[in-house]
Amino acid sequence: DTAVSQTPKYLVTQMGNDKSIKCEQNLGHDTMYWYKQDSKKFLKIMFSYNNKELIINETVPNRFSPKSPDKAHLNLHINSLELGDSAVYFCASGGGADPGYTFGSGTRLTVV
Amino acid sequence: QQQVKQSPQSLIVQKGGISIINCAYENTAFDYFPWYQQFPGKGPALLIAIRPDVSEKKEGRFTISFNKSAKQFSLHIMDSQPGDSATYFCAASFDSNYQLIWGAGTKLIIKP
Repeated sequence: DTAVSQTPKYLVTQMGNDKSIKCEQNLGHDTMYWYKQDSKKFLKIMFSYNNKELIINETVPNRFSPKSPDKAHLNLHINSLELGDSAVYFCASGGGADPGYTFGSGTRLTVV
Repeated sequence: QQQVKQSPQSLIVQKGGISIINCAYENTAFDYFPWYQQFPGKGPALLIAIRPDVSEKKEGRFTISFNKSAKQFSLHIMDSQPGDSATYFCAASFDSNYQLIWGAGTKLIIKP
C-alpha cells in the first residue's frame, strides 16, 4: 500500500513532445504538491492543490499545468518539452494529522 | 527573508563519528523546522522536526538543536553509520501544514 505513488518512474522523450506524470495519494491528505529536483538536488516547489484549488503557483513556465480530478490525484502535464526540463519530479501530499509531507518516489524525466 | 541557508554542501564522516549539519533562517515567524532524509532513487522522507518553543529534540541517534536567538538549527547524527549516507534537507514553515521553505541539501557520506 504505497502512500504516494507516481507513474511513470522513468520517462525519456524527445524535445517538443507533450507528456504527463500521474500522482495518487491514499493518505486522505488535503494538499498535494509537485516538486522539481535538479541535478544539484535542490528542491523547487512547482504547484500545490488544496481541495482542488490551486493555492501555490510558483514562477514555472505555463507549459507546465497541474490537473486534479479529485482530492487524491494531482497529475502534471508538460507541453513542448525542452532539454532544461530534464530533472526528477516529485509528487508529495500533506495536511493530515501527522506533520510534514509524504513524497512519492519520483519520476526521472529525460528530454533528448 | 524567506531563505533557509544550509551548510555544508557535502560532508564525509567516519563510521561511529558525529555528523553535524547546520541551517540558518531569517524569518522569525517560522514556527516549524523539519529535517528530511533522501536516499538515492527515493523521495525525501521526514526524519525529525522541532518547534521553536524547545531547544532540543532527540529521536534515537538523531538530535535537532535549536537556537532561537541566533536563528539557527542543526541536525546531529550520533554514532554515524554507513546506512545514514544520504542527502539531508532542512526546511522551515509557518506551520506544519504550510508550504515548506527548503535548504539546499547536504550530501552525507559515512565511511566504513
